[in-house]
Parts: sequence; C-alpha cells; structure tokens
Amino acid sequence: DQQVKQNSPSLSVQEGRISILNCDYTNSMFDYFLWYKKYPAEGPTFLISISSIKDKNEDGRFTVFLNKSAKHLSLHIVPSQPGDSAVYFCAASAGGTYKYIFGTGTRLKVLA
Amino acid sequence: EAGVAQSPRYKIIEKRQSVAFWCNPISGHATLYWYQQILGQGPKLLIQFQNNGVVDDSQLPKDRFSAERLKGVDSTLKIQPAKLEDSAVYLCASSLEFEDEQYFGPGTRLTVT
Repeated sequence: DQQVKQNSPSLSVQEGRISILNCDYTNSMFDYFLWYKKYPAEGPTFLISISSIKDKNEDGRFTVFLNKSAKHLSLHIVPSQPGDSAVYFCAASAGGTYKYIFGTGTRLKVLA
Repeated sequence: EAGVAQSPRYKIIEKRQSVAFWCNPISGHATLYWYQQILGQGPKLLIQFQNNGVVDDSQLPKDRFSAERLKGVDSTLKIQPAKLEDSAVYLCASSLEFEDEQYFGPGTRLTVT
C-alpha cells in the first residue's frame, strides 16, 4: 500500500525554466510533508518542508504547495539550474511522529 | 560539522551469509534511524533509536535483522542470514531530537547473490 506516490519517474526541464515535481498521498492523517534531494552515491538531503496548517512554503528558488483537499503537494523550482539535477523524494508523517513515509522519487534532469 | 558516517560503502555477499553495517551519527544527535531503500523505491524506515533505546522497530524483519546502538552513539545493523530480496541500499540517518531534521549518511549498497 503506497501511501505517498510520485507518479512521474522522471522529468526533463531546460535551464532557467520552472520545474514542477508532484506528489500525492492517501493518508488523511499526514500533517507534515518534506522534500528531499538525492545525488548519486550520496544520502538524501533535506530541501524544504511544510506543515498541514499552511498551503505554501518558500525558500529561495524552492516553493512547496500543499492542497489538502486534493491530498496533493508540489515542489516548484524557479529558475531551474543544472545543479538541481537529482532524484527528488517527497515524504510525509502523521500526528507528530516524525516517522517519514517516502515516495518512490522523481529524477529531475535540468538541461543546459 | 562532520556528517553521518557509514561503512562499508559496498558489500557483496552470498545468500544465507551474514553481514553487518556500521553507522556513526552526527555528534550530539539523540535520534538514529536505519532505512532500507530497494532499487526504484523510496527509503523505508526499519528502526528508530532514541539514545540507546528502540522507539520503533515495527518494520524490522526481526527473524533475520537486528540492530543495536550501544552507549547511544554508534549503531550496527546486522542481517543473518541474508536473502536475495535484502539487496538494497541501507541508509543511516540522525537528528538532534526526533522532531528535528534528519541527516542521512551516504548509505551501504548491499548485493546478495
């Protein structure tokens, strides 16, 4: 039972354009969401998070949007840079447990 | 600040053999996690320690997997005996406290043949 889903395994975007990565979840108890970035042969690194009391959180070029009614969140990267090429995982946790359930990841390729 | 250290980075063993992985968390981090990441999937939490006590091991296959965190610092994860489906990257993460950001190590890639 995949509670956190990333339906696009890969995405290619031109440098300077917007990258939009999507994530859907099924568990209505999830109240904290995160995005992690992973380069090859490295562990995931935290990128940005959002609590369910918000619908948007921004950090520099990265913005996460949360649509609770649709059980959907998205990560926007503007402008995209070649160094953003990596696998992006969304994760969710419920009830202050901070036990993260990860999606399967989306591989982003930013073309120079 | 030194990151989470893991060793070995790669390990190849035959099925039914035993293997152990080591993790050294960031200094001062009370919470330590072991995740299993199978190819094409996201990381899955196996076990969570708070200092040297187990908080959650509900997804740890206890018939073959064991983990310990002696003195609340380093941790080892052991598989005995290994199965083909144990082939994965084993990630260790630590956080200051359980509600804080998790920092991941580079992982150990295990191949069971």
